[in-house]
Amino acid sequence: NAGVMQNPRHLVRRRGQEARLRCSPMKGHSHVYWYRQLPEEGLKFMVYLQKENIIDESGMPKERFSAEFPKEGPSILRIQQVVRGDSAAYFCASSLQDRTRSIEKLFFGSGTQLSVL
Amino acid sequence: SQQGEEDPQALSIQEGENATMNCSYKTSINNLQWYRQNSGRGLVHLILIRSNEREKHSGRLRVTLDTSKKSSSLLITASRAADTASYFCATDERSGRALTFGSGTRLQVQP
Repeated sequence: NAGVMQNPRHLVRRRGQEARLRCSPMKGHSHVYWYRQLPEEGLKFMVYLQKENIIDESGMPKERFSAEFPKEGPSILRIQQVVRGDSAAYFCASSLQDRTRSIEKLFFGSGTQLSVL
Repeated sequence: SQQGEEDPQALSIQEGENATMNCSYKTSINNLQWYRQNSGRGLVHLILIRSNEREKHSGRLRVTLDTSKKSSSLLITASRAADTASYFCATDERSGRALTFGSGTRLQVQP
C-alpha cells in the first residue's frame, strides 16, 4: 500500500514560468490537503480538496495559484507566472474522514521543493 | 501569535535524557496531534489526543492536554540520537477545516 506520492521531488523554474505539482493520495483516501513550508518554519495551510470539490481554499493566494482533485488522477497544485517568493517546499497530505467529521491523522508525501530562479 | 505555537524553538540534549516540548493554541479543538519531520522529508504522525482526553502514551512518547490552559506537551523519554528532528503540534479546530500547524521545535540529541 503505497503512501502519499508527490512528484516531482525537485522542480526548478524561471520567473514567469508555470509550476505543476502532483499528489496521489493514499489508496482509499478521498481528502487531500496542500501545505507550504519555508525553511525553518512550520507548515502553512493552502487548500483542502475532496474529489472534484474544493472544500477550503482560504490559505491559497487568489492570483496565480489554483488546485484541483479530479475524479480520476492525482491532485494538482498549479502556480502560474512563478516569482522568487514562491520558492518553498510544498507538501501534500491525505486523510480518511471519520464519521464524527473531525480530522484524523494526515499522511504526508515527501514534498516538492520548488526553486524559482 | 498563531494557533499551535511550540516552545522551545530549539532544544539540544544528551542521549538518554528526556525531551519536553510544549504547544499552546487559541481556539476550541476536536483533537491535537503531534508530528515529526526529519530534515528534507514529509511529516510523520506520532500521536493524537482528543479534547476529552488528558494524557496519552505511545512507546517512549507521552502527551498531555490541558484544554483549560489551551496547551499540550510532548515528552520523549530516554532520547536517542535518532530522535533528532523537528516536532510540530497540529490542532483540529472545531471551526476549521484543516489542521493548523505550529512553527515547530527543533530537537537535537547528542550521542
